[in-house]
Amino acid sequence: EAGVAQSPRYKIIEKRQSVAFWCNPISGHATLYWYQQILGQGPKLLIQFQNNGVVDDSQLPKDRFSAERLKGVDSTLKIQPAKLEDSAVYLCASSLAGGAPEAFFGQGTRLTVV
Amino acid sequence: AQSVSQHNHHVILSEAASLELGCNYSYGGTVNLFWYVQYPGQHLQLLLKYFSGDPLVKGIKGFEAEFIKSKFSFNLRKPSVQWSDTAEYFCAVTYNNAGNMLTFGGGTRLMVKP
Repeated sequence: EAGVAQSPRYKIIEKRQSVAFWCNPISGHATLYWYQQILGQGPKLLIQFQNNGVVDDSQLPKDRFSAERLKGVDSTLKIQPAKLEDSAVYLCASSLAGGAPEAFFGQGTRLTVV
Repeated sequence: AQSVSQHNHHVILSEAASLELGCNYSYGGTVNLFWYVQYPGQHLQLLLKYFSGDPLVKGIKGFEAEFIKSKFSFNLRKPSVQWSDTAEYFCAVTYNNAGNMLTFGGGTRLMVKP
């Protein structure tokens, strides 16, 4: 079974630039999550999709972050403009809907803002 | 707000020592509880999970965790650690009334000395 695919693996940008991350979840997984993991901290949920609808985006800084999952499959997360404090690993995860599903994680994208 | 606390940020043990990592979650009704592990350079993967039934849950690689509802705790244990258990461990929770939103603790970095 293919896992959660993310790209790119690494990205270095200057502050005020924009960046986009891509995620392809496991086939058949209705739920998709984006997390931000700052060095030394646990993952923080940014946004959760169920199919192509948003379940929760209460912790997404909407003035600069946006995410979409138009066809209910793959998803993109964008930051525009980036700040130094956005340096982190951005994790994508997916799970089946309902019950107590296990979330499967991708390798993440390590973003460095300089 | 939902929150998960992990008491130990860093733990150093010698091989064959016993391990117990603490995890407490905030009250919010019926919960599902997870322990994830992140080995160096690898993605997050599930160690074990609890959603109902026997509060003592056994996972992979000899790990187990006990759900104590009265204490809002889900501590991770292993009787005898190995050098290969060196990793970061994350406790996480979903609440049945909150759409499977997976909330993580801050993580515990375990180093096992050979």
